[in-house]
Amino acid sequence: NAGVTQTPKFQVLKTGQSMTLQCAQDMNHNSMYWYRQDPGMGLRLIYYSASEGTTDKGEVPNGYNVSRLNKREFSLRLESAAPSQTSVYFCASSDPAPGVAEAFFGQGTRLTVV
Amino acid sequence: LAKTTQPISMDSYEGQEVNITCSHNNIATNDYITWYQQFPSQGPRFIIQGYKTKVTNEVASLFIPADRKSSTLSLPRVSLSDTAVYYCLVDKSGGYQKVTFGTGTKLQVIP
Repeated sequence: NAGVTQTPKFQVLKTGQSMTLQCAQDMNHNSMYWYRQDPGMGLRLIYYSASEGTTDKGEVPNGYNVSRLNKREFSLRLESAAPSQTSVYFCASSDPAPGVAEAFFGQGTRLTVV
Repeated sequence: LAKTTQPISMDSYEGQEVNITCSHNNIATNDYITWYQQFPSQGPRFIIQGYKTKVTNEVASLFIPADRKSSTLSLPRVSLSDTAVYYCLVDKSGGYQKVTFGTGTKLQVIP
């Protein structure tokens, strides 16, 4: 039972390069999320997808784009990476419902932009 | 959106009970309170969720007073493996659409 799988686990980019972070979940969840976590900080929501076919901005969307490819997959794209985007990126999924709240997180992608 | 406030850090000796309190003064009627645990280099992991009164599972207990303006996560007899960051979240119906985790409480368990 894989849960939430993120690829890659580590990545080094040069300023201005682009890349896509992949996320897939096998729990048939409707909602998926992308967070970033800077050293010593909490997680901040970048984008989320409440259901297949919908996406919306979170707290820190600038410099990112997302695609909800299907119910399982939610990708995060950096079009022109900047050093300020050096962070650990977490993908999560959940099936929001009254009284059911557990979100499942991937292991993270550690991104360094030089 | 309900904002949460929790201590930045706490220390505890092994075997003690640890209580971490979270303040959420503007919690809405249909908001739930959820706690997550995060170990270094890992994603957060769900611990417990509640709406009111007391909830207990195999890992922790969650105490919520009648006014729901605060909540207390209780970890019984902590061990070194409980050293982690603990986050308190408030949101309705388990949706995380615009919830931020804040900086959490860094619990250090001392031998």
